[in-house]
Amino acid sequence: DARVTQTPRHKVTEMGQEVTMRCQPILGHNTVFWYRQTMMQGLELLAYFRNRAPLDDSGMPKDRFSAEMPDATLATLKIQPSEPRDSAVYFCASGLVLAGWETQYFGPGTRLLVL
Amino acid sequence: GQQVMQIPQYQHVQEGEDFTTYCNSSTTLSNIQWYKQRPGGHPVFLIQLVKSGEVKKQKRLTFQFGEAKKNSSLHITATQTTDVGTYFCAGQGSGAGSYQLTFGKGTKLSVIP
Repeated sequence: DARVTQTPRHKVTEMGQEVTMRCQPILGHNTVFWYRQTMMQGLELLAYFRNRAPLDDSGMPKDRFSAEMPDATLATLKIQPSEPRDSAVYFCASGLVLAGWETQYFGPGTRLLVL
Repeated sequence: GQQVMQIPQYQHVQEGEDFTTYCNSSTTLSNIQWYKQRPGGHPVFLIQLVKSGEVKKQKRLTFQFGEAKKNSSLHITATQTTDVGTYFCAGQGSGAGSYQLTFGKGTKLSVIP
């Protein structure tokens, strides 16, 4: 049963620290998405990649967030420096394009708390 | 940019009652997808609608895509406590290269036993 995996599942850190979240997409998927979920804003798209190339990161605060795909099996999302307002659940999703349309499979999320 | 509005934001129903959530897009969609997120969980894909006026059923769940491909609905008949969660619609644009999904804010369903 193929799944998207994310590490860590939970992270508590102090303001100003660097946070790195990792995602392993489903083997064979060629699109990866990073979302942030909060009660107030719901699901926000931060960035997405297709064939490891960044297609859109307009939803991401550029000054502190960065997203990369060093290889097809790993996507990373970094926050440096972290701030309390970054506290949220961060989901990675991988996608499979079928006939031009895409279904997304979400990982379990990383629950981040910045104190 | 594309916006997807979903109503209601919250819905409390007695077990056995029906439930409907509605989704409206500011632009014409190539397809619309529905996801369910259980409390503490992650969104899970339910279904995809592609054709104008399409209706699909999954047991007690009925999904509709509007004729203009700008709106959709999810109807649950005779809700059960296992239906608890947040239901999201997500629309994919119809322009070239419109790979990303735009998610609605979701409808959080509570079922009172």
